[in-house]
Amino acid sequence: AQSVAQPEDQVNVAEGNPLTVKCTYSVSGNPYLFWYVQYPNRGLQFLLKYITGDNLVKGSYGFEAEFNKSQTSFHLKKPSALVSDSALYFCAVSPSVHGSGNTGKLIFGQGTTLQVKP
Amino acid sequence: DGGITQSPKYLFRKEGQNVTLSCEQNLNHDAMYWYRQDPGQGLRLIYYSQIVNDFQKGDIAEGYSVSREKKESFPLTVTSAQKNPTAFYLCASSPGLAGVLYNEQFFGPGTRLTVL
Repeated sequence: AQSVAQPEDQVNVAEGNPLTVKCTYSVSGNPYLFWYVQYPNRGLQFLLKYITGDNLVKGSYGFEAEFNKSQTSFHLKKPSALVSDSALYFCAVSPSVHGSGNTGKLIFGQGTTLQVKP
Repeated sequence: DGGITQSPKYLFRKEGQNVTLSCEQNLNHDAMYWYRQDPGQGLRLIYYSQIVNDFQKGDIAEGYSVSREKKESFPLTVTSAQKNPTAFYLCASSPGLAGVLYNEQFFGPGTRLTVL
């Protein structure tokens, strides 16, 4: 079964410290990977995506993510956390299955709450 | 939240009533999606549409219905057959069919539905 796992329900980090939000996936074929952020009672905002090429992807608001095919991981990182980064983060995957079943369907992880303390 | 609007922001429903959630986009996107969000469960796909007058069931379509009569509109009806409809509902869209697998989805602000 295709799935995405975010092993941590919550990540706590002090402002100014580096942060990592973990994501692992299990899909057939080569995955397209995404990170989204959600602030309370709001929709999801796109942060970054991995399609192909360089394993280190840079995105919005200083976030980056590293694709590791051997470990089937796509961890989200930021060198220096801000209090305003506190939010709910979702990892998602779009399986690259070609054919009549293409849907653009995203499989989401359950989300990780990031808490950045001053 | 881009060019996607959802209304209403909050919706209260009595048991046995059908309600319709609105989703409109002005991004000229072909594909549109409806997700349901419950605490600790991430997002689950209800229905999606890749083109006008066509839509497919997602993972949890039972008790829901949709229509896609116009490119910019994809309303979701929560019927009385949906046993546990209280949730946060998110609509999303993405560009053309050629890039449907790797284009990011753009999300609306959501509708919070509560059954009284």
